[in-house]
Amino acid sequence: EAQVTQNPRYLITVTGKKLTVTCSQNMNHEYMSWYRQDPGLGLRQIYYSMNVEVTDKGDVPEGYKVSRKEKRNFPLILESPSPNQTSLYFCASSLRSWADTQYFGPGTRLTVL
Amino acid sequence: EDQVTQSPEALRLQEGESSSLNCSYTVSGLRGLFWYRQDPGKGPEFLFTLYSAGEEKEKERLKATLTKKESFLHITAPKPEDSATYLCAVQAGNAGNMLTFGGGTRLMVKP
Repeated sequence: EAQVTQNPRYLITVTGKKLTVTCSQNMNHEYMSWYRQDPGLGLRQIYYSMNVEVTDKGDVPEGYKVSRKEKRNFPLILESPSPNQTSLYFCASSLRSWADTQYFGPGTRLTVL
Repeated sequence: EDQVTQSPEALRLQEGESSSLNCSYTVSGLRGLFWYRQDPGKGPEFLFTLYSAGEEKEKERLKATLTKKESFLHITAPKPEDSATYLCAVQAGNAGNMLTFGGGTRLMVKP
């Protein structure tokens, strides 16, 4: 089954404790992206990648890191999480551009205390 | 700065009552406008891509249209299962491959 998977689905952590949210797709897609969704602010793009080793900043990249060492994986790293990074995070992928169907993962709800 | 504004924020319809959702945008050189549907607790689901003014796309009861300043998502004879939040996003010519989303319209269709 074609899908985007994220882990963990739920995470409660404390300020400053490094964490990684994994994202994997099994559709051989070139484009991958991370978003955060907050009430009143909508969906905002954090980072995106057009292919292996090619990444670029989205609208709100501060406090986040990404890497794309393999085509299927696109982990999101929070080196020193802060409470303002408490949010619902989505990973997504599409074949060659955003004009292609963009498939979203199920989301990761992160709480930073 | 690229801006995407959706209206109304929320819309209640009776089953069968057709209506339109609006997505207005201010960008430098539109490369694409995208519509998504999002159910509560789930990731968005891709609906349409529009590229240029005058373009239209249809899928079941949904029809998306595009002008130089806005896009409309027309819902004809909606059913309760059409209840969801509808999001639009734009890719601007001067923003690389970044996507900018609007705040969404929460649609509720009552039987």
